[in-house]
Amino acid sequence: GAVVSQHPSWVICKSGTSVKIECRSLDFQATTMFWYRQFPKQSLMLMATSNEGSKATYEQGVEKDKFLINHASLTLSTLTVTSAHPEDSSFYICSAPTWGTQYFGPGTRLTVL
Amino acid sequence: GNSVTQMEGPVTLSEEAFLTINCTYTATGYPSLFWYVQYPGEGLQLLLKATKADDKGSNKGFEATYRKETTSFHLEKGSVQVSDSAVYFCALENSGGSNYKLTFGKGTLLTVNP
Repeated sequence: GAVVSQHPSWVICKSGTSVKIECRSLDFQATTMFWYRQFPKQSLMLMATSNEGSKATYEQGVEKDKFLINHASLTLSTLTVTSAHPEDSSFYICSAPTWGTQYFGPGTRLTVL
Repeated sequence: GNSVTQMEGPVTLSEEAFLTINCTYTATGYPSLFWYVQYPGEGLQLLLKATKADDKGSNKGFEATYRKETTSFHLEKGSVQVSDSAVYFCALENSGGSNYKLTFGKGTLLTVNP
């Protein structure tokens, strides 16, 4: 099956700093990728749709200036958490569709101290 | 809007027991329905899917039937194994223009004991 990778798999940062998370489709091209946030023992919450070559589409309640998304190529989307605070600590997951199926990355655990 | 409601967990079973995880949905139009599985420390993997009413998705001994009349997509397995221990997510994709945007249920943690 298709493979989606994320980097880093976990990151710890200080409050006020910015963190970039990469999502790559390794063996297919993706004009669209999705970013989710997963809280402990809860479901995945869609944050935004990343569109190659254009602006991302954010879900209601998600601050676009805080969660910057860039989809610069057909295989890479990045999510930058700007001025991170402890409440941004979470598990961030990306996905990309191909041939009618969504493939998910393994997730990135962000801890903000 | 779209929503998915699935059985609250956690569910704990003995090996070879029968499994049912209930899932119901609310959606306009004709959504596609999915079950995803998340093994400990791993990302979500597609387990099975059904794209229209009365379709049955199956994989690795798991089955789910798309029931439009009851808006349900319950997951079943006749004999679970320890290796089935994971979190299971029911999801829908409303293809009426949303282009792969998935709505997930809250997930059900399954633990299978030897």
